[in-house]
Amino acid sequence: GEEVAQTPKHLVRGEGQKAKLYCAPIKGHSYVFWYQQVLKNEFKFLISFQNENVFDETGMPKERFSAKCLPNSPCSLEIQATKLEDSAVYFCASSQSRAVNQPQHFGDGTRLSIL
Amino acid sequence: GNSVTQMEGPVTLSEEAFLTINCTYTATGYPSLFWYVQYPGEGLQLLLKATKADDKGSNKGFEATYRKETTSFHLEKGSVQVSDSAVYFCALSDTGANNLFFGTGTRLTVIP
Repeated sequence: GEEVAQTPKHLVRGEGQKAKLYCAPIKGHSYVFWYQQVLKNEFKFLISFQNENVFDETGMPKERFSAKCLPNSPCSLEIQATKLEDSAVYFCASSQSRAVNQPQHFGDGTRLSIL
Repeated sequence: GNSVTQMEGPVTLSEEAFLTINCTYTATGYPSLFWYVQYPGEGLQLLLKATKADDKGSNKGFEATYRKETTSFHLEKGSVQVSDSAVYFCALSDTGANNLFFGTGTRLTVIP
């Protein structure tokens, strides 16, 4: 499609439950990025993919967070055993290439609320 | 390393006032610079970009010039409208880095 599509828009989970977020990048874009936006608007980079391959996962909390981008499926970000501190808005972005001058195009985000 | 420092705000202006939101950066390579805007309840939209020194990005009446000598990329608009009320983020991408680095965002409220 012409836009990055993220689902669901809002997800509520009890502490300790699993949360799974989805992202369909813009058609033809090879790179997908996940960011976490926490209080005071701070953006934290989590992980990026080049097609279905992990490109950079330096921002991912290793223990409970995982992500995939499989062919012909939306990309996903999964959080096991959620904690209160995981409450945030998770943004997905895609870009055509990793060239420095290529902008990333963002979805509307998924607001994750952990109760 | 790479970082972006942005004027904190919030900023409240009357309609038709002049807007400046300051942004300075540090980068290790040859960065490209971006301004993104986030309207209430929505995702980030690319507002404008500049990819090399002295480039000026512009869109919807907003402008920003990539100043290498002062490592700045200040956002300006000559006459703001109520519909410009949003949070504005300065960001950079750098050679050798694989993600965007964001400033902390500046909330702009324009009152009629």
